This record gives sequence, C-alpha cells and structure tokens, in this order.
Amino acid sequence: GENVEQHPSTLSVQEGDSAVIKCTYSDSASNYFPWYKQELGKGPQLIIDIRSNVGEKKDQRIAVTLNKTAKHFSLHITETQPEDSAVYFCAASEGNMLTFGGGTRLMVKP
Amino acid sequence: NAGVTQTPKFQVLKTGQSMTLQCAQDMNHEYMSWYRQDPGMGLRLIHYSVGAGITDQGEVPNGYNVSRSTTEDFPLRLLSAAPSQTSVYFCASSPGQSNQPQHFGDGTRLSIL
Repeated sequence: GENVEQHPSTLSVQEGDSAVIKCTYSDSASNYFPWYKQELGKGPQLIIDIRSNVGEKKDQRIAVTLNKTAKHFSLHITETQPEDSAVYFCAASEGNMLTFGGGTRLMVKP
Repeated sequence: NAGVTQTPKFQVLKTGQSMTLQCAQDMNHEYMSWYRQDPGMGLRLIHYSVGAGITDQGEVPNGYNVSRSTTEDFPLRLLSAAPSQTSVYFCASSPGQSNQPQHFGDGTRLSIL
C-alpha cells in the first residue's frame, strides 16, 4: 500500500517568515495530494490540493509543489501569521484510499 | 448546512463493551470514510464506502464494522472494545472517490479502560 512520510514533525518560525513542510510518497499510482490544517479539538480542514498533472499551485500565501519523478511534494506558507499555528497533514490518494503523513506541528511566534 | 456531524463527542467504555459511533452528512456525498488519529501517526483509514450498500476495508479495519444503508449515514461499530482502540475517530465525506476534497467532522474522542 501507499506510505507517506512527512517532515519535520515540529516547526517553529517567527511571524512573517516562511514555512516549508515536505512529504514523500511511495506509490507511483497516487494522483491526488491534499494538505489539511487541523486546529485543536477540530477535524482536519483542506487548505490546498494538487493533482499529478500539475507541478505547482498557489492560493494567496499558500503554495504546493509536486515532483512526480522524485515522488515528493511540499507545502510553502509565506508571511506566516500566528493564526497559521496548527498541525498540518499531507496525504496521497490513488482512488478510494487516502493515506496521511504523520503531521507537522507549526508554531508561529509573534 | 451542517456538513459532517459526529456523535458523541466523547465516550468512555470498559473493555469488552460495544458501541456505535454515528456519522451523518447532509451534502449528498457518495464517498464516506472513517479514520482513527493516534499521536504521531496521522490519520489511518479504517473503512470506507463509495455509496449506499457498498463498504470496504481500509488500512486498519480489525475490530470495527461498518454499514451504509443510506447515503447520509455511515456508523462505525466496535463490537468488543479493547484498550488499543482508544483514539480520536474522524468521519469524512466527499462527492466522489477519496481523490476529491474530503470534509471532516470534528471527531469522537474514545477512551477504553
């Protein structure tokens, strides 16, 4: 089955700095790569996703890049704000199964 | 529009007891799924359904049963609870397969003593 590795497990940045979270996947058949943000006591919320026919996607301060050859994808958050503090999960899907990475706790210090 | 609703929010069980975690969605989504979340392990897929009357196993199905008699509801049953099933359980839904944006409920925190 699919295996998704996520790094780092914790990340601390100063407000205004950029944050980068990286994930690798094992199944070359995976074709959908979402990123979720989870706040304390809540369920994960989709923040951005990318499909295998696209190399990069941006949405305001958030961007995701995908390298299919190397089987890795990354989340980039620019101009971080305290409200970006949360746990972020990457995931990979090839149809009916969505496999998550272990999560990254992002702390943005004011 | 409530989205995905999970009940109860918290539950404590004794080993060997049974219970059903409820999940309902009002978005007419075909795909529904159950995950468990344990510290440092992300979310792991337990069971999923691609439509009413159809269910299949995910990554960690042992000890859990599901059924999908309607599009809206997808209950998860623990027949004989074990301490290893202490976790936070999330239900999710999406319009089609898992390779579409999934909407998550706020979870059920389950403790097995």
